Amino acid sequence: GENVEQHPSTLSVQEGDSAVIKCTYSDSASNYFPWYKQELGKGPQLIIDIRSNVGEKKDQRIAVTLNKTAKHFSLHITETQPEDSAVYFCAETNTGNQFYFGTGTSLTVIP
Amino acid sequence: DGGITQSPKYLFRKEGQNVTLSCEQNLNHDAMYWYRQDPGQGLRLIYYSQIVNDFQKGDIAEGYSVSREKKESFPLTVTSAQKNPTAFYLCASTVAGGRYTGELFFGEGSRLTVL
Repeated sequence: GENVEQHPSTLSVQEGDSAVIKCTYSDSASNYFPWYKQELGKGPQLIIDIRSNVGEKKDQRIAVTLNKTAKHFSLHITETQPEDSAVYFCAETNTGNQFYFGTGTSLTVIP
Repeated sequence: DGGITQSPKYLFRKEGQNVTLSCEQNLNHDAMYWYRQDPGQGLRLIYYSQIVNDFQKGDIAEGYSVSREKKESFPLTVTSAQKNPTAFYLCASTVAGGRYTGELFFGEGSRLTVL
């Protein structure tokens, strides 16, 4: 399968600070990059996504940036809150037939 | 409400037994997927299906089998040939085909434990 690297694997931030998670991919044909949030014992839920024709997308406190040349994309969470604590996964696909996932980042927001 | 339903949520199995995990969706999605999740690892693809009566192996298909007799249903059987079946299993679905890549929706997962 395709190789998606995700860093860091764990991240702790103080409430109100920002959190950044980065993923790199290898397939230059990849064109869709979603981010998922997974709470303990539950299925992942899409929080934001970006397509290859866009460099940045923002939804309230969450933003995603994409650098196609460098083949990396990042999740930015500003003004973090305790309820942001969860595991976050990046993913990519070029056809929609197969999605390739990063290994996840466990985010802890300290009140 | 539309969504994906997985059952059972928890399942215990003795070694040597086959078990089947259910996945049903009412989103009218063509494509369905099964992923396995282990601690510290990403989601690994077991099988996927783009259309009824057709499915493809993912990266870790050995020891698993699937069927896709109906658009809404994509059951996964964990066979006794799977050497390390204890894991969290996730079913997902999305619209398929063409140039549009849609959101991948997930079920709530099934946790299988081999005793």
